[in-house]
Amino acid sequence: ETGVTQTPRHLVMGMTNKKSLKCEQHLGHNAMYWYKQSAKKPLELMFVYNFKEQTENNSVPSRFSPECPNSSHLFLHLHTLQPEDSALYLCASSQDGPNTGELFFGEGSRLTVL
Amino acid sequence: QKEVEQNSGPLSVPEGAIASLNCTYSDRGSQSFFWYRQYSGKSPELIMFIYSNGDKEDGRFTAQLNKASQYVSLLIRDSQPSDSATYLCAVNGAGSYQLTFGKGTKLSVIP
Repeated sequence: ETGVTQTPRHLVMGMTNKKSLKCEQHLGHNAMYWYKQSAKKPLELMFVYNFKEQTENNSVPSRFSPECPNSSHLFLHLHTLQPEDSALYLCASSQDGPNTGELFFGEGSRLTVL
Repeated sequence: QKEVEQNSGPLSVPEGAIASLNCTYSDRGSQSFFWYRQYSGKSPELIMFIYSNGDKEDGRFTAQLNKASQYVSLLIRDSQPSDSATYLCAVNGAGSYQLTFGKGTKLSVIP
């Protein structure tokens, strides 16, 4: 148990569906992140929020829409995804803001796009 | 394009041996270096970080950094089957707000 909880753990959706991934951290951290992990590729940073403000958006397609209502919660809204978006989506948090590498990851949400 | 390179493995070592995992990075301005361990089907967890040239030891783990050679390594002494996992090297560049990860090296410790 890392103190970062992600739901759902598994998600199967069609390309026309709209779904959301949820992340909650119980560590009192200030920064939260979405990462994408695909087979045989490095972890890819998607979004960073520091004190609820988005500080990074790594050229992520608009079909991925993040939302951070407070420092403890982070969402990733998904719509009209493509099969190549199938991957493990990891949420992480850190205490000292986005320029630290000391990340605490959730268990991930395994997404399959049909 | 900042890159972090790791040998994908698998690296197989017998139980009790020293496992040596290596990582090179392209951004000479990188300042912070991290090793994460990821068990199959699990999320990455931080096991070591190093900021200065030289060695840093924590139990059976030693991180080594050589900024001149742009090289960072992780040594695992007295390897155990429970050390079998994928080890991810991550680098934080100067003025950067994000980590760049390598693809990871899969380590298998044979009983």
